[in-house]
Amino acid sequence: NAGVTQTPKFRVLKTGQSMTLLCAQDMNHEYMYWYRQDPGMGLRLIHYSVGEGTTAKGEVPDGYNVSRLKKQNFLLGLESAAPSQTSVYFCASRGGTERNQPQHFGDGTRLSIL
Amino acid sequence: DQQVKQNSPSLSVQEGRISILNCDYTNSMFDYFLWYKKYPAEGPTFLISISSIKDKNEDGRFTVFLNKSAKHLSLHIVPSQPGDSAVYFCAASRWGAGTALIFGKGTTLSVSS
Repeated sequence: NAGVTQTPKFRVLKTGQSMTLLCAQDMNHEYMYWYRQDPGMGLRLIHYSVGEGTTAKGEVPDGYNVSRLKKQNFLLGLESAAPSQTSVYFCASRGGTERNQPQHFGDGTRLSIL
Repeated sequence: DQQVKQNSPSLSVQEGRISILNCDYTNSMFDYFLWYKKYPAEGPTFLISISSIKDKNEDGRFTVFLNKSAKHLSLHIVPSQPGDSAVYFCAASRWGAGTALIFGKGTTLSVSS
């Protein structure tokens, strides 16, 4: 039972490079989320999806794009990486609309932009 | 402007004693509150939640209390164990916006034996 799997776990990029972070969940969840966590901060929402083919902006969406072509996958893209995007990125998923269903998180992707 | 505040960055308690972690919020639209626990190099793990229509929820050693009028909630851990040492995040959500979570900055709990 894998739950939420994030790929890669670590990555170092140079300023201006692009990359895609992959999140996969095997729980058939409708809702998926991307957060970032910076030192001394809580998690902040970047983008989210309420179902296959849908995406929406969160609190800190600038510099990122997302896609949800398949229900089980949620991709986070950085088109032109900047040092300010150095962070730990967490993906989460949640099933259904019942409020008592919590979000389940992956173990994160540590991204450094030089 | 922070909507969910955890004003104590750290808390140290002895094994067997009670740990009390506090959280304040400013947005009266929040109607569901959760606590997550996080170990280093791992993702947050759900611990316990409470709906705004309740004032208390228990799950084993963990109890969450909600005071809506004060916009305050707290997590009680009794008895505390060394394995409880982790960062605890308070989070809140409201209808809409995909029920995404707004997190506090976290409180690092250290339980000594």
